[in-house]
Amino acid sequence: AQSVTQLDSQVPVFEEAPVELRCNYSSSVSVYLFWYVQYPNQGLQLLLKYLSGSTLVESINGFEAEFNKSQTSFHLRKPSVHISDTAEYFCAVRRDGYNKLIFGAGTRLAVHP
Amino acid sequence: KAGVTQTPRYLIKTRGQQVTLSCSPISGHRSVSWYQQTPGQGLQFLFEYFSETQRNKGNFPGRFSGRQFSNSRSEMNVSTLELGDSALYLCASRDAGEQYFGPGTRLTVT
Repeated sequence: AQSVTQLDSQVPVFEEAPVELRCNYSSSVSVYLFWYVQYPNQGLQLLLKYLSGSTLVESINGFEAEFNKSQTSFHLRKPSVHISDTAEYFCAVRRDGYNKLIFGAGTRLAVHP
Repeated sequence: KAGVTQTPRYLIKTRGQQVTLSCSPISGHRSVSWYQQTPGQGLQFLFEYFSETQRNKGNFPGRFSGRQFSNSRSEMNVSTLELGDSALYLCASRDAGEQYFGPGTRLTVT
């Protein structure tokens, strides 16, 4: 079975500061890794994904995440956050050949001016 | 292409009633999955349908059921509603790669 742990339920940060949202997973088989973002009263939007290849993946809005197999982590980072990044962020895993996503509990990122 | 659409967006029901939620996937997508999101339990997988067949099922009671039609549209039904069924129900459709989520249906059970 797979599981996902997001170590911080809330992360407050000032605008233009760097941020890291932590995600660790547990799985006995190979998995694919995802970060989703959810803005208030909306569904989930895919932010970035790791399927294979380079362990560093980037999104179009400045976020990046690094897959670390030895530490079973997939932390999300952004060097300079904006007010508009305020949202809830979910880390998820999916087993190859299966469509079921297993989500972490989420991290609420609050960016303050 | 239009995104995943879910109807209705908001719903209020009374305990004991039943409810049907609808999901229209992105055109060409044949896989539809349903998730329940609550503050206490987070995001949990309900079931997945592919080509009108249930392919995976999460750990939910039999009161939760679903189906998929030949045009890939999917419905989920919850019978004998309980207060704990109040949640945001999210539908996702998938092509060969990633899943795309709809805006969800917020169900409130009173």
